[in-house]
Amino acid sequence: ELKVEQNPLFLSMQEGKNYTIYCNYSTTSDRLYWYRQDPGKSLESLFVLLSNGAVKQEGRLMASLDTKARLSTLHITAAVHDLSATYFCAVDGNFNKFYFGSGTKLNVKP
Amino acid sequence: DSGVTQTPKHLITATGQRVTLRCSPRSGDLSVYWYQQSLDQGLQFLIQYYNGEERAKGNILERFSAQQFPDLHSELNLSSLELGDSALYFCASSVALTSNEGQNEQFFGPGTRLTVL
Repeated sequence: ELKVEQNPLFLSMQEGKNYTIYCNYSTTSDRLYWYRQDPGKSLESLFVLLSNGAVKQEGRLMASLDTKARLSTLHITAAVHDLSATYFCAVDGNFNKFYFGSGTKLNVKP
Repeated sequence: DSGVTQTPKHLITATGQRVTLRCSPRSGDLSVYWYQQSLDQGLQFLIQYYNGEERAKGNILERFSAQQFPDLHSELNLSSLELGDSALYFCASSVALTSNEGQNEQFFGPGTRLTVL
């Protein structure tokens, strides 16, 4: 079964700092998704990465995909408190099954 | 608002009981997915339906079943409930059937929080 590992699981950072969340997965897939979840809320789609080398940016967040290394990164630039949430990566495995990472709980301290 | 609706928002019931969770996908989406989110298991894919037919199965217990109706809404039935079934249950929808059809981006509903006492 496809395994998806995220690290770190918890991230506490100061406003204005940069950091990267990593998502590794165990088998070949060309499709990777990043979601954000606020406490008690649903999952909000952030990025859809569909091919090797794909890079997408939205505000202070930038996501990339390296299918050869089976690695995706979510880079946070100059973090602000509003970015505090849990971030999940998900890999589209065979036959539409989405495999989610454990999530990275981000806390941005003012 | 993703356009996916789920009812009820909260459900409190006792062990051994049976409940039904309901989901309406976004307009135009033919695929519906069910997920369970718990503290110890994380986010687990349960089952997928496409245009009324089961298409993919994940870690769904035999006590659980689902179906998708002609109007494309879906129901997840949970029976013989146990304490460990307490979780947040999400429904998601997408347009595509397979990964080869576009992005297959999934849009999540607000979830149903199930508490089994």
